[in-house]
Formats: sequence, C-alpha cells, structure tokens
Amino acid sequence: DAKTTQPNSMESNEEEPVHLPCNHSTISGTDYIHWYRQLPSQGPEYVIHGLTSNVNNRMASLAIAEDRKSSTLILHRATLRDAAVYYCILRPFGGYQKVTFGTGTKLQVIP
Amino acid sequence: DTGVSQDPRHKITKRGQNVTFRCDPISEHNRLYWYRQTLGQGPEFLTYFQNEAQLEKSRLLSDRFSAERPKGSFSTLEIQRTEQGDSAMYLCASSSTTGAGSRPLHFGNGTRLTVT
Repeated sequence: DAKTTQPNSMESNEEEPVHLPCNHSTISGTDYIHWYRQLPSQGPEYVIHGLTSNVNNRMASLAIAEDRKSSTLILHRATLRDAAVYYCILRPFGGYQKVTFGTGTKLQVIP
Repeated sequence: DTGVSQDPRHKITKRGQNVTFRCDPISEHNRLYWYRQTLGQGPEFLTYFQNEAQLEKSRLLSDRFSAERPKGSFSTLEIQRTEQGDSAMYLCASSSTTGAGSRPLHFGNGTRLTVT
C-alpha cells in the first residue's frame, strides 16, 4: 500500500490561508488522493479528494502536482474550528484495498 | 444519511474480560472497515468487509480479535481476553462500492476502550 508523508505540525493565524503539504512519491496512476481531518474524540471527517485536477469544495481546495507525487490542502481562511489533525491518504481506484493513514499534520490556529 | 454509529462510545473493562463493539454503517454502503487508533497516532487498519465477506485482515488482528458482519449490515468487533495493550479508540468506517476509490470513507466517532 502506498504511503504518504506529512509534517507533524503546522501553525496558522486565524483568518489567514493555510497550505498543508503531503508527499506521496509512490502513488500509482489510479490512486485517488483523499484528505480527512480529525477533531479530538471524534472520528476522521472527509474533507476533499482528487485524482489529477485541482478540486474545490465548500471546505477547502486541493492542489495536485502535475506529476501527482505531492498535493496541498488549502484552507482559504483558517478559523479556530479548523484546528485538527489533517490526514492525507491514497485510495486505489477499486477502493478494495486497505487504506493506510500516517500520523497526519496537527494544525494549530492562533487567534 | 444518518451517518455511521458506533456503540458503546466508551468501554472500561478489566484485563482478561471479553468485549464486543457494534458498528452500524450508512445503510446503502456495502463496504465496512475497522480501524484502531492510539494516542498521537493515525488510525491503523484492522479489517474490512464487502457485504458479509471479510476480505482482508491486518496482522494486527491477532486470534483474540474477531469481526463479523452478518447479512452485510451492522458489524461487530469482539476482543477476547483483553490486555492493557488493547486500550485504544476503535473506529468503524463505511463507503460505497460505486466508483470506490473516489468515494469518501465515512467514519463513526469510535468506541474508546480502556483495559484496567
């Protein structure tokens, strides 16, 4: 199963944009890139996913490198509610293989 | 969409006892996953089902662990002869098969197990 690498922690000021990086150099051509976030005492929550093109939704934007070996989750204006652990994972096209989570990036938002 | 529900939310048990957790996935989802998470770590894969068939098990799932999904609906995870090292959050997730890799995993809020 393909692995992802993320920084252990990041800080952002409230209302500033946040760029959370993820490296996935062993990604295969049919792996989807998914991002989840986890608040304390809760299960992970889906944020966004993409395959090749950049994606936007109401929560965030996902920028995918042209070679697909890295991606960046963009929170356009960080709020205190965005303080969480963010996980970048790869899901194979068939979706039938196990999904491996790393340790994620703990985002601290400073008021 | 009522979400994935897990029961109980918290379980405290004594070492050596058996415990069973239940997961009710989103009703139209035929894939169900179990994960275990310890403090400061990401979720670790334990096993997953497609409908009632258990398709993959992690080596983490020792012979004291068993999971079932009768009739392809809810699932149970049983731990026999619990050990202190089993203390963790046990997470359940479900997803749809259609366009599988592009479908999100929907997680429950987990069962926190404390073995004393």
